[in-house]
Amino acid sequence: GNSVTQMEGPVTLSEEAFLTINCTYTATGYPSLFWYVQYPGEGLQLLLKATKADDKGSNKGFEATYRKETTSFHLEKGSVQVSDSAVYFCALTPQAGTALIFGKGTTLSVSS
Amino acid sequence: DGGITQSPKYLFRKEGQNVTLSCEQNLNHDAMYWYRQDPGQGLRLIYYSQIVNDFQKGDIAEGYSVSREKKESFPLTVTSAQKNPTAFYLCASSIQPGGRYEKLFFGSGTQLSVL
Repeated sequence: GNSVTQMEGPVTLSEEAFLTINCTYTATGYPSLFWYVQYPGEGLQLLLKATKADDKGSNKGFEATYRKETTSFHLEKGSVQVSDSAVYFCALTPQAGTALIFGKGTTLSVSS
Repeated sequence: DGGITQSPKYLFRKEGQNVTLSCEQNLNHDAMYWYRQDPGQGLRLIYYSQIVNDFQKGDIAEGYSVSREKKESFPLTVTSAQKNPTAFYLCASSIQPGGRYEKLFFGSGTQLSVL
């Protein structure tokens, strides 16, 4: 079946540190891949996406590259800020006509 | 401003009671979704609807019911058959139902607790 696996959290970093959150997936066909972010007490917001192999999604200093050979979509940021503290969800759509499938989420906590 | 409105923000359910969570969108989106969020479990799909008067079960539909009589509205009823209803419930919508480039727009959620 289709699924998304994220690294377990929480991830705790100091401000300006480098961030990597690992995400791997299992899917039939050619899924589209997404990262969503959830700030405390709020719903989710789309952070970035990639719709085909080797595409790189980027937004607000975050990047992720669609790697079909390793079925991965790892999230990276070169220098995190306190305001980046949130829960990050990796997700995919396996095919048309179905809903997004989410990973379990990774909590990021950044201290100054 | 366009968006998705969920109400109430907090809801309490007594034993054996049905409760209904409201979700309204003014984005003119065709598709709407209900997800349940539990700590450490991520988001799990309860129901989704691609068009008015049609909906499909997600992964954890048991104990829940929905209706889609209007494009703008997709209420979720948590029935007494749902034995563990305490969770954060998120409603979402998208322009196209399940397209490859799908972006979901989320409401701010309803926290349901059992008294």
